[in-house]
Amino acid sequence: GAVVSQHPSRVICKSGTSVKIECRSLDFQATTMFWYRQFPKQSLMLMATSNEGSKATYEQGVEKDKFLINHASLTLSTLTVTSAHPEDSSFYICSARWGQGTSTLHFGNGTRLTVT
Amino acid sequence: TQLLEQSPQFLSIQEGENLTVYCNSSSVFSSLQWYRQEPGEGPVLLVTVVTGGEVKKLKRLTFQFGDARKDSSLHITAAQPGDTGLYLCAGHTGKLIFGQGTTLQVKP
Repeated sequence: GAVVSQHPSRVICKSGTSVKIECRSLDFQATTMFWYRQFPKQSLMLMATSNEGSKATYEQGVEKDKFLINHASLTLSTLTVTSAHPEDSSFYICSARWGQGTSTLHFGNGTRLTVT
Repeated sequence: TQLLEQSPQFLSIQEGENLTVYCNSSSVFSSLQWYRQEPGEGPVLLVTVVTGGEVKKLKRLTFQFGDARKDSSLHITAAQPGDTGLYLCAGHTGKLIFGQGTTLQVKP
């Protein structure tokens, strides 16, 4: 089956630094990738939708200057958390799909970010 | 804003008991999915329902999509400790929106 690889799986960084998370589709071309954030024992909250070669669409309340998304190719999207603060500590999950509409989404295994 | 209300949010039961999780919305969805997520991992798709009134079975799990395509339910028969996890419903609107999730604990 289709695989989405997310890297790193865990990262600890100091407050004020930036962290980049990669999401790769390994065996299909992902026209659209989605980035989610999840707090402990809570559901996934959609942060943004990125289409290859265009600017990401952010959900209401998500700061686009803080969470930079780049979808430079059909197999790679990156999320950069800039000037991270402890409140940014969370579980970040990407998903990818090929095509439009309700085609199946494939999820990565998530990145646990801890900001100290 | 389209919201998916999932209930209950927490459920702790004994092995062998039955349970039902509900997912409700005021909006119509083109399809609805159920996922299961283990701690520290991404969600894994269990089923997709597309047609109003549709019922799908996956071993001891039964999924139903409401006639109006606004709600869905997940019923687990004779729950086992291995069923423990976070269950999420999600509706498609061009993007996938998740319900709040149901944390299920099945005690042996």
